[in-house]
Amino acid sequence: TQTVSQSDAHVTVFEGDSVELRCNYSYGGSIYLSWYIQHHGHGLQFLLKYYSGNPVVQGVNGFEAEFSKSDSSFHLRKASVHWSDSAVYFCAVNYGSSGNKLIFGIGTLLSVKP
Amino acid sequence: NAGVIQTPRHKVTGKGQEATLWCEPISGHSAVFWYRQTIVQGLEFLTYFRNQAPIDDSGMPKERFSAQMPNQSHSTLKIQSTQPQDSAVYLCASSLTGANERLFFGHGTKLSVL
Repeated sequence: TQTVSQSDAHVTVFEGDSVELRCNYSYGGSIYLSWYIQHHGHGLQFLLKYYSGNPVVQGVNGFEAEFSKSDSSFHLRKASVHWSDSAVYFCAVNYGSSGNKLIFGIGTLLSVKP
Repeated sequence: NAGVIQTPRHKVTGKGQEATLWCEPISGHSAVFWYRQTIVQGLEFLTYFRNQAPIDDSGMPKERFSAQMPNQSHSTLKIQSTQPQDSAVYLCASSLTGANERLFFGHGTKLSVL
């Protein structure tokens, strides 16, 4: 079974802190990884993606993620969070063998306190 | 570009009634996806169209759910004889070519079955 897991349901940090949101996947060959953000009452918005090349990818609003084949991970990071970063973050995987759909993790709620 | 448009934003139906949800993908996007989002199950893939043709409906419940894409400008998700467990936010997304591209999501339709 091809899965993606986000081990932290809820992360709370203070404004200006750094944060890392974790994502692990079951390895199934060629893989496409991405992160999305969902603010309350809205649809998902794309943050960044990785398919090949440099394992550290930059996204919008200062987010970056690092792919690790050895750890089967694609953790999302931000050096200094803002209150507006409070949202639910979803890691998503598209395995080459399935190809047709993004499989989403359960999501991590990030709460940024002032 | 108005993005992916979903109508209605909210729909309330009585148990046993039919619900039709509409999605207008971004012009020029050939791939359209439907997802269902609940607190318990998270984001569940339902179905995928490419160039209006159904490609993967592996996530669609076998009974009562159907999806069509009669033209490139809209897709519908129809739920017959709605049940309380169908209550969810239904998200539509489109992308240029498929699941290995950035997905653009609509705001979703919140379906409440009483």
